[in-house]
Amino acid sequence: EVQLQESGPGLVKPSQSLSLTCSVTGYSITSNYWGWIRKFPGNKMEWMGYISYSGSTSYNPSLKSRISITRDTSKNQFFLQLNSVTTEDTATYYCARWEGYSGPFDYWGQGVMVTVSS
Amino acid sequence: DIQLTQSPSSMSASLGDRVSLTCQSSQGIGNYLSWYQHKPGKPPKPMIYYATNLADGVPSRFSGSRSGSDYSLTISSLESEDTAIYYCLQYDEYPYTFGAGTKLELK
Repeated sequence: EVQLQESGPGLVKPSQSLSLTCSVTGYSITSNYWGWIRKFPGNKMEWMGYISYSGSTSYNPSLKSRISITRDTSKNQFFLQLNSVTTEDTATYYCARWEGYSGPFDYWGQGVMVTVSS
Repeated sequence: DIQLTQSPSSMSASLGDRVSLTCQSSQGIGNYLSWYQHKPGKPPKPMIYYATNLADGVPSRFSGSRSGSDYSLTISSLESEDTAIYYCLQYDEYPYTFGAGTKLELK
């Protein structure tokens, strides 16, 4: 069974970096696409980006140069780093697997709530 | 960015009702649209992908359709477990974008 689990700090100070890990079991991250999606208070959802099976990445331009998604294939993990956070980055962060154009984001982590506050 | 307009923003319906939720795209996205059900404390659950395909494990009372740039998620007979927020997502063009969601409640 494919399982994803996010981990990372639940509280980050403004101007600092937010770093999250998504640990995947039951499937290799060297296949398919692996993304980060967040849900803000008030229910808006935002696709942040993904890392592909080959290690290539695609990011939401709204995040400009603040975002980086990387991976460690030996640990079957991928990572989100978001720099220079503000209170507007307070959200629940989800990692998810995407099959590509042939399917949906089909497996999701439980989500981790991150609050940006001093 | 492609804008997805979901309507209604919220609605209430009775058990057994036929319910249709709509998502309108600001530009052509072909069939690259999926629907997700989100309940509090749980991750989003995929319901429909490629506009009309039922995701794995989704009950057959759910269906997706497309008419031009209008996409619909239909529940043929509402059950209590269907109360949730439903989101559409386009994955035709970067950045992928979500609609604002429809909150579905029981009357």
